[in-house]
Amino acid sequence: DGGITQSPKYLFRKEGQNVTLSCEQNLNHDAMYWYRQDPGQGLRLIYYSQIVNDFQKGDIAEGYSVSREKKESFPLTVTSAQKNPTAFYLCASSIRGGPNTGELFFGEGSRLTVL
Amino acid sequence: AQTVTQSQPEMSVQEAETVTLSCTYDTSESDYYLFWYKQPPSRQMILVIRQEAYKQQNATENRFSVNFQKAAKSFSLKISDSQLGDAAMYFCAYVGGKLIFGQGTTLQVKP
Repeated sequence: DGGITQSPKYLFRKEGQNVTLSCEQNLNHDAMYWYRQDPGQGLRLIYYSQIVNDFQKGDIAEGYSVSREKKESFPLTVTSAQKNPTAFYLCASSIRGGPNTGELFFGEGSRLTVL
Repeated sequence: AQTVTQSQPEMSVQEAETVTLSCTYDTSESDYYLFWYKQPPSRQMILVIRQEAYKQQNATENRFSVNFQKAAKSFSLKISDSQLGDAAMYFCAYVGGKLIFGQGTTLQVKP
């Protein structure tokens, strides 16, 4: 079955450590996205990529980094520079990027807790 | 800049009754999509319904329908014959030059 796989589902990190969240899709979608979800704040865009080897900052990119070396994969690194990293992270993809990108397909999310 | 506002943080409905969730948006674009997503306790986002702005007819998917008022920039979701499985957080989303989500509405369904 086609879909988006995020791992790990739960992750604990000590302060000062970097951590990488995995996102893989087998939908042959061009565009991929990372969102952060906090209680009462909906979804906020961290980074997005419309095509391989290209990505753009979203609204809250500070303290995060991404790469898009393969169409299927869009890993997110939460660096030690991120001041409040404890959150729920959602990865999504769409058939194409750019304006009127259409429906987003979501993974099951990763819950990061900083101890 | 585009914005999406869901003014109801929480709503409740009796099982088998009808409930309407509100969403307003602001944009200067003429071509865009609007979506309602459901996020159950499992936290996976599920598409409920979509509406293309150029279509005047309101979208319907089984018990879910929208009231799309383009001039008023309003996009409400009506859930008929509510079921316990409808309990979730619902997000309104605007997709045009940017992709923007509302803050979400938590729906409680009472048996």
